[in-house]
Amino acid sequence: DAGVTQSPTHLIKTRGQQVTLRCSPKSGHDTVSWYQQALGQGPQFIFQYYEEEERQRGNFPDRFSGHQFPNYSSELNVNALLLGDSALYLCASSFLGQGQSEQYFGPGTRLTVT
Amino acid sequence: GNSVTQMEGPVTLSEEAFLTINCTYTATGYPSLFWYVQYPGEGLQLLLKATKADDKGSNKGFEATYRKETTSFHLEKGSVQVSDSAVYFCALSGGGAQKLVFGQGTRLTINP
Repeated sequence: DAGVTQSPTHLIKTRGQQVTLRCSPKSGHDTVSWYQQALGQGPQFIFQYYEEEERQRGNFPDRFSGHQFPNYSSELNVNALLLGDSALYLCASSFLGQGQSEQYFGPGTRLTVT
Repeated sequence: GNSVTQMEGPVTLSEEAFLTINCTYTATGYPSLFWYVQYPGEGLQLLLKATKADDKGSNKGFEATYRKETTSFHLEKGSVQVSDSAVYFCALSGGGAQKLVFGQGTRLTINP
């Protein structure tokens, strides 16, 4: 049973560019959440997708957007990159169909903005 | 809003020592509480959880008890091993939302 997978593993971008990160949830899961983890900090919630719609959003600007596909996979897009966007981006999946369930995390994508 | 506060690290112990990592929370309603562990270069792994007051979560020798009266969820292990070296995060979810709110993490190093 494959767990949560994310791609790419590492990414280097220049300030002002745009980036897309991808996530495939654990088999049987229908909900994807994205978190940003700055160096030495705890993860911060960005947003959550369920049934292809944004269900909740954290305190992040509109430069951060996402999408969920019919197969439950998800993308995180960040526009107009800033140096402060450098972080580990974590995807977590869960099953919302029967109420709250545990979130399983992927290995993350390390984004470096220069 | 909801928040989690963990004891500041880093924490360094010798093998077979007793471990406590303190965690307190602020939340409305009745949150679920979690401990996650992050090994170097990896994502987060759920270590244990508790969903209601007085529940005790346990896994791999680690334990934590949901104390509503003190709004705490301290992580303990009776005898740590070198392989326990990692960063530990306390987290909560609640109020009908699935999003996790994390503490800042505590880096644990176990010396042989």
